[in-house]
Amino acid sequence: EAGVVQSPRYKIIEKKQPVAFWCNPISGHNTLYWYRQNLGQGPELLIRYENEEAVDDSQLPKDRFSAERLKGVDSTLKIQPAELGDSAVYLCASSFGQNQPQHFGDGTRLSIL
Amino acid sequence: GIQVEQSPPDLILQEGANSTLRCNFSDSVNNLQWFHQNPWGQLINLFYIPSGTKQNGRLSATTVATERYSLLYISSSQTTDSGVYFCAVTLSGATNKLIFGTGTLLAVQP
Repeated sequence: EAGVVQSPRYKIIEKKQPVAFWCNPISGHNTLYWYRQNLGQGPELLIRYENEEAVDDSQLPKDRFSAERLKGVDSTLKIQPAELGDSAVYLCASSFGQNQPQHFGDGTRLSIL
Repeated sequence: GIQVEQSPPDLILQEGANSTLRCNFSDSVNNLQWFHQNPWGQLINLFYIPSGTKQNGRLSATTVATERYSLLYISSSQTTDSGVYFCAVTLSGATNKLIFGTGTLLAVQP
């Protein structure tokens, strides 16, 4: 079974530029999550999708962050414009519904210059 | 909000040694997972263990939900066990948001 696939693996951009991350969850997993992990800390949830519906986006900075999961499968997380403080690892996870184990992708390491 | 504390924060072991990592949480939880984040940043599922005991090779875990703690046992440690170990919980009656603990940084020396 293929795991959660994320791309790109690394991204370096200048501040104020836009950036996008892509995630393809494990086949059949209807719940998808985006987390952000700052250096030396554990991941923190940004947004959770049940199929194509965003059911928890309370931690997503909506002034510059957006996400979509149009067909209820893969998802894109966007930042526009990026700020220096956005440097972090962005992790995608998926699960087969609620109260099921979450499986993580390898993440995208974002560096803002 | 819920507090998820892990101990010890750092641990250095000689290859072959055994260790116990602890995770304490301050509120009732639905689920608990243990992860290993390797030096390349990959977050690997170890156990999904809301209660009881599970074993997988050299690793085992026990969660006592009524006393709000979980333990991860590593036996005969290897250098590839190095990295950060996180426990993460989801709250009872809440969304499926994983709340990660403070982590234990493990270094296994040859």
